[in-house]
Amino acid sequence: SQELEQSPQSLIVQEGKNLTINCTSSKTLYGLYWYKQKYGEGLIFLMMLQKGGEEKSHEKITAKLDEKKQQSSLHITASQPSHAGIYLCGAASNTGFQKLVFGTGTRLLVSP
Amino acid sequence: KAGVTQTPRYLIKTRGQQVTLSCSPISGHRSVSWYQQTPGQGLQFLFEYFSETQRNKGNFPGRFSGRQFSNSRSEMNVSTLELGDSALYLCASSKGGGNSPLHFGNGTRLTVT
Repeated sequence: SQELEQSPQSLIVQEGKNLTINCTSSKTLYGLYWYKQKYGEGLIFLMMLQKGGEEKSHEKITAKLDEKKQQSSLHITASQPSHAGIYLCGAASNTGFQKLVFGTGTRLLVSP
Repeated sequence: KAGVTQTPRYLIKTRGQQVTLSCSPISGHRSVSWYQQTPGQGLQFLFEYFSETQRNKGNFPGRFSGRQFSNSRSEMNVSTLELGDSALYLCASSKGGGNSPLHFGNGTRLTVT
């Protein structure tokens, strides 16, 4: 079965600093989602990447998909307290794009 | 446009009881998926319904079941509750195609005592 490993597991950065979160898959990636979750709440959709080399940006968050490396990265520029939360990557299955396998998450804290 | 709505927000049940959770998808979305989130196992896929038919299923026992109605609303049922069923249950909806992202609700927090 497919597994997703996220690194780092947790991260504390000073406000204004840049940071990167990585997501590595044990199998071929057919589609990669990034979500953000506040504790005990639902997941907020950030981005979906489907093609190798694809890069998408939304506000100060950029995600890239390296299909050959079976890896995706999420980069936040000039972090703000509002970026704090748990970031989760999810991989689509080749048997169903709604059947996602999720990583264990990266907990981000942004200190003022 | 209203998001995915899950009810109730919190539930407390006793071992052996059964429970029904409800999910209303985003208008126009025909696919509804259910996920279980626990501290130990993380987020795990339960099942997906599309046009009232179960299209995909995860590795959960038969005590976990679901259904979808003609208006795309979905319910999930767990029978004979066990302590290990305590979790945040998340519902997600999408248009159902391969390039349709999943949009999640705020979840139902189930506590089994």
